[in-house]
Amino acid sequence: GQSLEQPSEVTAVEGAIVQINCTYQTSGFYGLSWYQQHDGGAPTFLSYNGLDGLEETGRFSSFLSRSDSYGYLLLQELQMKDSASYFCAVRDGPGGGNKLTFGTGTQLKVEL
Amino acid sequence: EAQVTQNPRYLITVTGKKLTVTCSQNMNHEYMSWYRQDPGLGLRQIYYSMNVEVTDKGDVPEGYKVSRKEKRNFPLILESPSPNQTSLYFCASRVGPGNNEQFFGPGTRLTVL
Repeated sequence: GQSLEQPSEVTAVEGAIVQINCTYQTSGFYGLSWYQQHDGGAPTFLSYNGLDGLEETGRFSSFLSRSDSYGYLLLQELQMKDSASYFCAVRDGPGGGNKLTFGTGTQLKVEL
Repeated sequence: EAQVTQNPRYLITVTGKKLTVTCSQNMNHEYMSWYRQDPGLGLRQIYYSMNVEVTDKGDVPEGYKVSRKEKRNFPLILESPSPNQTSLYFCASRVGPGNNEQFFGPGTRLTVL
């Protein structure tokens, strides 16, 4: 079956760096995405990794190692507004497809 | 404004009473999806579509139907809702192959009594 493992909760202080890990076991793999969701809101897209390595977008970076079936989201210079749930998602349908499997999410709490 | 809209946003209904949740996007996206979100289970894909008249099952399609007669609309149909379909539902769209940024609607909170 398909499974994506993420920590359920992470707590960090404002200004710090936090890493949220995601390991996956899926029947197919065509890329790893990350989404942010604030309480009561809709998920919003953060990043996508189709190939191994690091992708950087402002304070957020995402990393993928396909050989290890592993990726992470790195958040730097944490701000209170970063308190939210973060989901990894694998595109596990054939290339160009729309089949997505999400992890169960990591709730990030940023404290003063 | 580029967006995905869903209606209704909140719905309380009774077991067995057919309902439709509408989803519309104004971005000319090819790909659309429906998800349900339940505590501790994350987002689970119900159905997805890659173009007009092209739909396929996600991970939890039982009890749901979809149709894609026009590019902009992707309604979710519950023919005979049951209490285990009480959930938060999201519609989403993305441009198509080669672009992985998915845009989500605001969500529909459904309660089936």
